Amino acid sequence: DAMVIQNPRYQVTQFGKPVTLSCSQTLNHNVMYWYQQKSSQAPKLLFHYYDKDFNNEADTPDNFQSRRPNTSFCFLDIRSPGLGDAAMYLCATSRRGRSRSPTDTQYFGPGTRLTVL
Amino acid sequence: GEDVEQSLFLSVREGDSSVINCTYTDSSSTYLYWYKQEPGAGLQLLTYIFSNMDMKQDQRLTVLLNKKDKHLSLRIADTQTGDSAIYFCAERKSASKIIFGSGTRLSIRP
Repeated sequence: DAMVIQNPRYQVTQFGKPVTLSCSQTLNHNVMYWYQQKSSQAPKLLFHYYDKDFNNEADTPDNFQSRRPNTSFCFLDIRSPGLGDAAMYLCATSRRGRSRSPTDTQYFGPGTRLTVL
Repeated sequence: GEDVEQSLFLSVREGDSSVINCTYTDSSSTYLYWYKQEPGAGLQLLTYIFSNMDMKQDQRLTVLLNKKDKHLSLRIADTQTGDSAIYFCAERKSASKIIFGSGTRLSIRP
């Protein structure tokens, strides 16, 4: 089945120790997104890739970086995790066409829950 | 602002209808969505409605849109235990940006 896969599902890191979260997709979608979701809050968009073009949200801290080496994979790098970065990190994908369409709808992976000790 | 607002909790009896409400801010939003999130899982798209529609029905789900009041609702008929989840309302701001509400946690009483 076509899907969005996130690894690992649970990640524990130490304060200040760099960590990388992984997302892969078999949907062949051209847009990939990273969201941060804290408990009882809305998912918050960090950034997205449209093909190879990186689009950062204005309020995303510099501590968060992303890489997309190919269509299928996208990584979230947290350079120096703080206690406030503990959250669920959601990857999503969509296919952006030439016109507005619900097919631009985003499809989500199961998330990676990050714990910072 | 960019707020999409929902009540945090809803409790209904099994077999009754659930109605989850949402208000949004941007009258130019073209699509509005309802997502479902089960414990430990990602967000699953349930349904969407285009802004020129008032209503959309899909099996047990009915979406009502009041564009004048910027109010969106999701009705789940014959609510079952498997419907227990967090339901997120979302509005599409641009081709690559969706703004989510904080989610409504639906719990089912026997």
